[in-house]
Amino acid sequence: TQLLEQSPQFLSIQEGENLTVYCNSSSVFSSLQWYRQEPGEGPVLLVTVVTGGEVKKLKRLTFQFGDARKDSSLHITAAQPGDTGLYLCAGSARGSARQLTFGSGTQLTVLP
Amino acid sequence: NAGVTQTPKFRVLKTGQSMTLLCAQDMNHEYMYWYRQDPGMGLRLIHYSVGEGTTAKGEVPDGYNVSRLKKQNFLLGLESAAPSQTSVYFCASSYSAETQYFGPGTRLLVL
Repeated sequence: TQLLEQSPQFLSIQEGENLTVYCNSSSVFSSLQWYRQEPGEGPVLLVTVVTGGEVKKLKRLTFQFGDARKDSSLHITAAQPGDTGLYLCAGSARGSARQLTFGSGTQLTVLP
Repeated sequence: NAGVTQTPKFRVLKTGQSMTLLCAQDMNHEYMYWYRQDPGMGLRLIHYSVGEGTTAKGEVPDGYNVSRLKKQNFLLGLESAAPSQTSVYFCASSYSAETQYFGPGTRLLVL
């Protein structure tokens, strides 16, 4: 069974601060995705990274895939209250019939 | 397009009762999935389907059954509900593993 561990589980910061969320595994993934989920809604895809060492930027969000494709990080610059939500990483392994393994999530609260 | 829709949005069951959750997608996706989400445990795959008429077990299939009689619909059944099945259930569909589109969820409480 492939596992994805996210840290921290909870994060509460002030508006304007920077933060990093981590997603780690002992398994290799062919791709890794980050989702954001707001209360009462389903997760929404933010980004997919597929190449070891890949860095993708989405406005104030920077996503990195580890060189060995076992870990990933999400960095948010100058967090805003609108960034509040549950951030989930999910990995896809080769030969997995398009199944995703999800991490347990990081609940981010950005205080105004 | 409505995307992925789920019915009902909320349900309360007594132990031993049965129910069916309906998921519908209008994106012509081949792949559909049922997950459950519990606090501190992320999303866990219950069953999935790679096309009309096919189903397969995921990580936590016990106590659930599924059917995919039409491409656009994926049904999740609980034959005899247990309190351990209290959870939020999400359906998703995709044409590739790189993007899964999720429904709004069904909140189920089993007393």
